[in-house]
Amino acid sequence: EDQVTQSPEALRLQEGESSSLNCSYTVSGLRGLFWYRQDPGKGPEFLFTLYSAGEEKEKERLKATLTKKESFLHITAPKPEDSATYLCAVQATTPNQFYFGTGTSLTVIP
Amino acid sequence: DTEVTQTPKHLVMGMTNKKSLKCEQHMGHRAMYWYKQKAKKPPELMFVYSYEKLSINESVPSRFSPECPNSSLLNLHLHALQPEDSALYLCASSQEGGNYYEQYFGPGTRLTVT
Repeated sequence: EDQVTQSPEALRLQEGESSSLNCSYTVSGLRGLFWYRQDPGKGPEFLFTLYSAGEEKEKERLKATLTKKESFLHITAPKPEDSATYLCAVQATTPNQFYFGTGTSLTVIP
Repeated sequence: DTEVTQTPKHLVMGMTNKKSLKCEQHMGHRAMYWYKQKAKKPPELMFVYSYEKLSINESVPSRFSPECPNSSLLNLHLHALQPEDSALYLCASSQEGGNYYEQYFGPGTRLTVT
């Protein structure tokens, strides 16, 4: 059965304390893996798309990487404004399904 | 302009009411989506329209009825809802629907069913 699992569920960091969020997936075939950021009461904001193992994308303090089984979202020297829920989503090829993970709630303390 | 707009922002309706949620995008995207999101849960896909045709219906109850009048607009008609349908309803769009590509989400409509 296709699955997308994110860990940890919640993460508290001191400002400047770098860390990584994990998204593990088991799908029949990966068409794309997406990272989103969601602030409370708002719609998800698109961050990155990764298509193949070994691919990396960067944006400001965020860097997303992809292997054959998981993706990491690395946060370097986070700031309080990085506090949000980070969602990964996977598009499978067979069947052509789209799944969101359960998210990681990140809190960055000043 | 990467913006998807949704109206209304908040909606309170009784179980016998009929209401509609509206979504609009002007990015030239050809796929539009409706999601339902409960508190502290990820969005759940409800419907996908690709080139103005319904391509995916994730076994959603018939009290939810989607409509795509044109490539920029997406409606969700609500009728005889239940209290458990209270949630944040999100609209999204992407370049195409065959591949989900990057989806751009609206701010959502917070629906409360009394």
